[in-house]
Amino acid sequence: EAGVTQFPSHSVIEKGQTVTLRCDPISGHDNLYWYRRVMGKEIKFLLHFVKESKQDESGMPNNRFLAERTGGTYSTLKVQPAELEDSGVYFCASSQVSATGNSPLHFGNGTRLTVT
Amino acid sequence: AQTVTQSQPEMSVQEAETVTLSCTYDTSESDYYLFWYKQPPSRQMILVIRQEAYKQQNATENRFSVNFQKAAKSFSLKISDSQLGDAAMYFCAYRSPTGNQFYFGTGTSLTVIP
Repeated sequence: EAGVTQFPSHSVIEKGQTVTLRCDPISGHDNLYWYRRVMGKEIKFLLHFVKESKQDESGMPNNRFLAERTGGTYSTLKVQPAELEDSGVYFCASSQVSATGNSPLHFGNGTRLTVT
Repeated sequence: AQTVTQSQPEMSVQEAETVTLSCTYDTSESDYYLFWYKQPPSRQMILVIRQEAYKQQNATENRFSVNFQKAAKSFSLKISDSQLGDAAMYFCAYRSPTGNQFYFGTGTSLTVIP
């Protein structure tokens, strides 16, 4: 079974530019999450999709961030325009639907974004 | 919101020895799930072990075990017979059964000394 894949693995852009991150979850996983880790800090929740619907986007920092999940398959996270504080590692994770909540997250390798 | 605290930014252990990573959390819920994830350098984050709060028995997975103290809201990870491949960043995580968010700590970087 293929795992969660993220592209690109690294991205270096200048302040004011646009970057789009992509995540392909494990096939059959309805839940898809985006998280971000700034160096030395905790992994912070950004948003959660159930299929193509945004279930919770309370962690999105501001309207420069736009996430989509067309057709309930892969997801993209666009940052436009990028600011210096957007630098960090962006993780995507997916999980199966679970009635009890103990389904673990399956993570991608992350995209390391550097804004200069 | 729930918070997860990992008070040890860095830890080291001699190969074949035992190390314990600490994690505490804050919640008003009685049922929840706790996880330890491991991220080796430049590699994918993977699940190490999970614990359901309603279970009194501590979870174990081979060389990995937890000490779950519900009253103290503590969830430490013990790694026995440490191996070089255990070197990684370890994250403690909390999940509520009523929501889908996972709350993570800041991580503990574990070094294994040959």
